[in-house]
Parts: sequence; C-alpha cells; structure tokens
Amino acid sequence: EAGVTQSPTHLIKTRGQQATLRCSPISGHTSVYWYQQALGLGLQFLLWYDEGEERNRGNFPPRFSGRQFPNYSSELNVNALELEDSALYLCASSLYEEQYFGPGTRLTVT
Amino acid sequence: AQSVTQLGSHVSVSEGALVLLRCNYSSSVPPYLFWYVQYPNQGLQLLLKYTSAATLVKGINGFEAEFKKSETSFHLTKPSAHMSDAAEYFCAVSEYQGGSEKLVFGKGTKLTVNP
Repeated sequence: EAGVTQSPTHLIKTRGQQATLRCSPISGHTSVYWYQQALGLGLQFLLWYDEGEERNRGNFPPRFSGRQFPNYSSELNVNALELEDSALYLCASSLYEEQYFGPGTRLTVT
Repeated sequence: AQSVTQLGSHVSVSEGALVLLRCNYSSSVPPYLFWYVQYPNQGLQLLLKYTSAATLVKGINGFEAEFKKSETSFHLTKPSAHMSDAAEYFCAVSEYQGGSEKLVFGKGTKLTVNP
C-alpha cells in the first residue's frame, strides 16, 4: 500500500513569491494535516482538512492557506513568502487517531 | 491546552546499552500519546501509540513506552541500542475529541549511538 506522498521534494522561491505544495494521502484516509518543521521551532501544526473542509488551523497568518480536493489530496499555498517560511513542510493523513507522515517538502526562501 | 516536554535535546548511548527517552505531557482530557522517529532528511515514522488501552505499549524496532497517569509521563525505552537507532525522536499528544484533532509535538530528542 502506498504511503503519503508529497511534491515537490524541494522548492526554492524568492521572498514575496507564492509556493504551492501538494500532498496525496494514503488510500482511504479522509483527513489531511499540514505541519511546519522550522529550524529551532520544532514541529508546528498548520492546518487540518477533513472531507474537503478546513477543520482546524494553527497559529499561522492567513497567507498560509490550502484546500482539500474531492479525491482527498491537498494543497498548501503560502503567499508573500518571507525568509522565515523556510522549513520542511510535512503532510500527514489519518483515518482514525494515528497520523501517517509523508517525506516532506523542503521550502527554501531566498 | 495540551503540551509535551521532552527532557534532553540530545541523548548519547553506547551500542547495546539501554535507551531511555523522556516525555511528559499535559492534557485536560485523557490523551492519546505517540512516539515518532525521524531519520535525516525524512518524514516521521510512527513508533508506537497509547490510546487508553494497555499502559505498556510495544512498538516497532524493539521500542516500548509506559503510560503513567500519576506522573503524566510516557517515556520511551529500548533494552539494547543499535547503531540504526540513531535518529531524532518526537513525543506527541493528541486530544482526539472529534473536533480538535491535531498533534502537539515535543521539541525532539536526538539520539546518538556510539560503537
């Protein structure tokens, strides 16, 4: 069974640009979570989508947004990129209480 | 709000020695608790989970953890460390109440295994 997949693996953007990160959950999982792992800040919860709806949001500004598609895949969009947005962005999917993580997208903002 | 404290950002053990990684949590409701492992440049892999069943939980790769409500702890142990255990370990708590599902992570403990 395929695990959670994320694309791209690496993404390099300049300050002020927009970044789009993609996530495909494990087949049958309806919930998708996004986390940011920034150096020195640990793993921070960003967003939770379930059945196409945003269910919960972490303490991040509105320029972090996303959506979940009918096939349960998800996109994370980061607008007006800032240097401090450089981080590993992890996506996870779940059906019940445990979350399964993808390999992440490394976003570098220069 | 729930929180997780991992004591020791770095732990170093010899190959074959006991591994003990400490995790304390706070939660307003009975928690679900998890340990994840992260190898360099990879995502997180679930080691084990506690979901209010048995207090001693066995996971993959010989790891286990014991839930102690009185101490609000969920320490991770392995009797004999292997070189391949070198990684970063994260403890996480979730208040699975059908409305606030998210994981709150500790800051992680980097485990070094010396030959």
